[in-house]
Amino acid sequence: GDSVTQMEGPVTLSEEAFLTINCTYTATGYPSLFWYVQYPGEGLQLLLKATKADDKGSNKGFEATYRKETTSFHLEKGSVQVSDSAVYFCALSENSGNTPLVFGKGTRLSVIA
Amino acid sequence: GAVVSQHPSWVICKSGTSVKIECRSLDFQATTMFWYRQFPKQSLMLMATSNEGSKATYEQGVEKDKFLINHASLTLSTLTVTSAHPEDSSFYICSALGLQETQYFGPGTRLLVL
Repeated sequence: GDSVTQMEGPVTLSEEAFLTINCTYTATGYPSLFWYVQYPGEGLQLLLKATKADDKGSNKGFEATYRKETTSFHLEKGSVQVSDSAVYFCALSENSGNTPLVFGKGTRLSVIA
Repeated sequence: GAVVSQHPSWVICKSGTSVKIECRSLDFQATTMFWYRQFPKQSLMLMATSNEGSKATYEQGVEKDKFLINHASLTLSTLTVTSAHPEDSSFYICSALGLQETQYFGPGTRLLVL
């Protein structure tokens, strides 16, 4: 079945550091790919998404590129802030999003001033 | 826009009692809602897909008689944990399918069964 593997956390960075959270996937078809963020005590929020190969999703300084050849969707941000501290989930959906999401285990990011 | 609420946000109950969790799409209609369960420091696992006006579709290993799902309107789905036991303690999260086939998540309900 479909699966998502993302790097184990926690990740601790200093403010303004560069962030990369790796995510790879296994799917039978051509899934849509997502990054969700969960701030402490809150529900999941969609951060960005990409629906086909070579698409780049971006939002709030974060970006990720759908790489079909490496089945990857790594999340990057050039300069993190303390407010980016959260748990980040990589996910896929076999269709554009109207089917249930398959999530990775999540990566906890802590940014220190 | 695209706000999903859950009620209650947390609940403590005695073993053997039933607990109902509501999931509402506040500013949009959702024919499809999903129920997930999240264990501490783990990912979300899909429990069931709820479609308005029809029976829910449960994932393998999820007891449909224990986790009753009702999607009676386009803005409300409920999950009832019947005869709850301590092993049912978890964080339950719903999502509602909105515009552009995007899932919008509720804030979650933390259930503790004593």
